[in-house]
Amino acid sequence: EVRLLESGGNLVQPGGSLRLSCAASGFTFSSYAMSWVRQAPGKGLEWVSGISGNGVGTQYADSVKGRFTISRDNSKNTLYLQMNSLRAEDTAVYYCAKDWWVSDNWGQGTLVTVSS
Amino acid sequence: EMVMTQSPVTLSVSPGERATLSCRASQSVSSNLAWYQQKPGQAPRLLIYGTSTRATGIPARFSGSGSGTEFTLTISSLQSEDFAVYYCQQYNNWPRTFGQGTKLEIK
Repeated sequence: EVRLLESGGNLVQPGGSLRLSCAASGFTFSSYAMSWVRQAPGKGLEWVSGISGNGVGTQYADSVKGRFTISRDNSKNTLYLQMNSLRAEDTAVYYCAKDWWVSDNWGQGTLVTVSS
Repeated sequence: EMVMTQSPVTLSVSPGERATLSCRASQSVSSNLAWYQQKPGQAPRLLIYGTSTRATGIPARFSGSGSGTEFTLTISSLQSEDFAVYYCQQYNNWPRTFGQGTKLEIK
């Protein structure tokens, strides 16, 4: 059974930083691209970033380019999202999802709140 | 960036009836279009990919059609568990983009 477990969400001040993690199990992690998708309170889904299976290829939404960095550690079956220069509009539940084409497996999300 | 526009924003349908949801892309996405269902407090669930292929375990009452820029999700006979928010997503271009969602509510 595929399992994705996000962690690291917290309350952070504007301009601050946070690193999210997603622990994966139940599949060959290094064989799959991975994605981060977020959802602001009461709003729709926004694709944030994706990374190839070997970690070489990365993609970002324009809204986070230059501020967020996606990475992975295939030896630990873990996906990361380093978020810097956080803004109020980054407040959202952040989901990790398997693959960067269509995602048939999602975690339950971790809440990031950016507020002073 | 590819813009995905869903209509209507809210759709009120009675159980047992058919629901038709639309998704339009600002430029062609070929057949690289997926549909997701999301219920309150839950992660999204993949329903359809490749415009018309049902994901594993998805009932046959869900069907997808279209190509290029115009796509449709049809639920043939609504069950109580189908009332939720539905999102389309293109995966033809970077960045991936979602529609704003259609809320399917009980009439």
